[in-house]
Amino acid sequence: DAGVTQSPTHLIKTRGQQVTLRCSPKSGHDTVSWYQQALGQGPQFIFQYYEEEERQRGNFPDRFSGHQFPNYSSELNVNALLLGDSALYLCASSYGTGDSAKNIQYFGAGTRLSVL
Amino acid sequence: AQSVTQLGSHVSVSEGALVLLRCNYSSSVPPYLFWYVQYPNQGLQLLLKYTSAATLVKGINGFEAEFKKSETSFHLTKPSAHMSDAAEYFCAVARPAQKLVFGQGTRLTINP
Repeated sequence: DAGVTQSPTHLIKTRGQQVTLRCSPKSGHDTVSWYQQALGQGPQFIFQYYEEEERQRGNFPDRFSGHQFPNYSSELNVNALLLGDSALYLCASSYGTGDSAKNIQYFGAGTRLSVL
Repeated sequence: AQSVTQLGSHVSVSEGALVLLRCNYSSSVPPYLFWYVQYPNQGLQLLLKYTSAATLVKGINGFEAEFKKSETSFHLTKPSAHMSDAAEYFCAVARPAQKLVFGQGTRLTINP
């Protein structure tokens, strides 16, 4: 049973460029959340997708956008990259959005983005 | 609003010694609390969770944590440290609808 998979593993971009990161959820999961983890910090919630819609959003600018596909996989897009966007981007999947003790988030290994 | 404070960004213990990583939370509603571990160049792995059942929670790799409402704490312990426990540990709070709010993390170093 494959866990959460993210691609690519590493990415190098320059300021002003756009980037797309991809995530495939764990089998049986239908909800995908994205987090940004800056060096030496804890992960920060970006947004969550369920039923192909953005359900929750953290304190991130509109340059950060996403999409969820019918197969539950997801993309994170970042436009007009800034140096400060350099971070590890983590995808987490879970089942449903209900407030249940069974809804545990499982994380992928992340995509490390470097903006030069 | 919910928040987590992890006391000590870096903890160092000897192999075989007690591991204690501190976490205090703030939540306006009954919280779910989690500890995750992150090994170098990897994602986050769930160690254990508290979801309003037993206050003493046992997790993987010999770790456990105790929920203390009066102290708003959820400290992580392990009786005897192993070299393989060296990693970054994150405490997180969530409720409702699963948005995880993480602490800043504690880097655990094990000395031989």
